[in-house]
Amino acid sequence: GAVVSQHPSRVICKSGTSVKIECRSLDFQATTMFWYRQFPKQSLMLMATSNEGSKATYEQGVEKDKFLINHASLTLSTLTVTSAHPEDSSFYICSALRQGGEKLFFGSGTQLSVL
Amino acid sequence: GESVGLHLPTLSVQEGDNSIINCAYSNSASDYFIWYKQESGKGPQFIIDIRSNMDKRQGQRVTVLLNKTVKHLSLQIAATQPGDSAVYFCAENRSGNQFYFGTGTSLTVIP
Repeated sequence: GAVVSQHPSRVICKSGTSVKIECRSLDFQATTMFWYRQFPKQSLMLMATSNEGSKATYEQGVEKDKFLINHASLTLSTLTVTSAHPEDSSFYICSALRQGGEKLFFGSGTQLSVL
Repeated sequence: GESVGLHLPTLSVQEGDNSIINCAYSNSASDYFIWYKQESGKGPQFIIDIRSNMDKRQGQRVTVLLNKTVKHLSLQIAATQPGDSAVYFCAENRSGNQFYFGTGTSLTVIP
């Protein structure tokens, strides 16, 4: 099966700092990657859709200047949470769509805690 | 559809019984659906998918039913095992390859 690697799995940072989360498709090329946010005991909320080589499309209510997404290659997308605040603490999950495919494969998630 | 702010419904079943997990989706134009299983602290795992031109699909111990008339999906798990305990989400693929997740259901299997 397709493998999506997400790193780091857990990060604790101070308020005001920036945190970068990486999402890699290890054995396939992903033209599209997605970033989700999940609060405890809630569903996944789509934050943005990232296409390789172009700007990400953000969902309504998601601040693009706060959540910077870069999809520089067919195997890597990054999410940078800028000037993190405690309310940004959450579980962030990336997913990747195989080129020409339709199944969505997920990373293992990143638990962000902002102090 | 999206379910921001809602808490997960729960389902408890006895080991060996069958489980049925339901999901309502919102967009009649969605043409592809996936069921995912998510264990605590992990990313979702693919279970089974179904296209809108089908109303039933079977996998190993799992069956997905699709009712487009009422925009409803169900996941049936046969002979539920303790390892099936997890949160289950349905996801709908809207136009432009955007996937949106349903509320999710927390399944607990009682040994």
